Amino acid sequence: GESVGLHLPTLSVQEGDNSIINCAYSNSASDYFIWYKQESGKGPQFIIDIRSNMDKRQGQRVTVLLNKTVKHLSLQIAATQPGDSAVYFCAEKISGGGNKLTFGTGTQLKVEL
Amino acid sequence: NAGVMQNPRHLVRRRGQEARLRCSPMKGHSHVYWYRQLPEEGLKFMVYLQKENIIDESGMPKERFSAEFPKEGPSILRIQQVVRGDSAAYFCASSPPSQNTEAFFGQGTRLTVV
Repeated sequence: GESVGLHLPTLSVQEGDNSIINCAYSNSASDYFIWYKQESGKGPQFIIDIRSNMDKRQGQRVTVLLNKTVKHLSLQIAATQPGDSAVYFCAEKISGGGNKLTFGTGTQLKVEL
Repeated sequence: NAGVMQNPRHLVRRRGQEARLRCSPMKGHSHVYWYRQLPEEGLKFMVYLQKENIIDESGMPKERFSAEFPKEGPSILRIQQVVRGDSAAYFCASSPPSQNTEAFFGQGTRLTVV
């Protein structure tokens, strides 16, 4: 079946640097993408989303980029802080399916002081 | 407004026993989703329910697993005759009726089968 996958299982960055987490998806029918942050022992927390009719969306310190041509999604975190340390998941869904999400494997972000 | 509430947070069952996981959605949310997460993996969709209806159960194992969301009370995920492979974190998410809103996740129930 089609799935969402991530390239890097672990990413280590220095505090204050920018982080980039990548994700590849394969279901061309997906039209809504979300990034979640999951801290140890907790549930996924919504960070930012983007619809397929957009290629960029910005939030507070985070930016999501969508490249439909190569089916690639990225999450950029500016000025990474220790509190950003967590596992980050991309997820995709198709409109009309409620919130039935397909999640990627996840990337562990470690922020070094 | 309390978030999605799941209980228990941790559940230990012996092989062959039944596990019952509960999820109370956020106020005003009528859609509930259950996901399973194995260690160091992403969440896998199991089932999508609305009040008294199962909308999509394409991710549910064919045997031993069932889910309900009654008119009154929490949503229940039931696992009968648990096996060690059922050990995982089970997350519930809820959303309002609108299709264009995000789902909010609970803190999960960590099931350990011994």
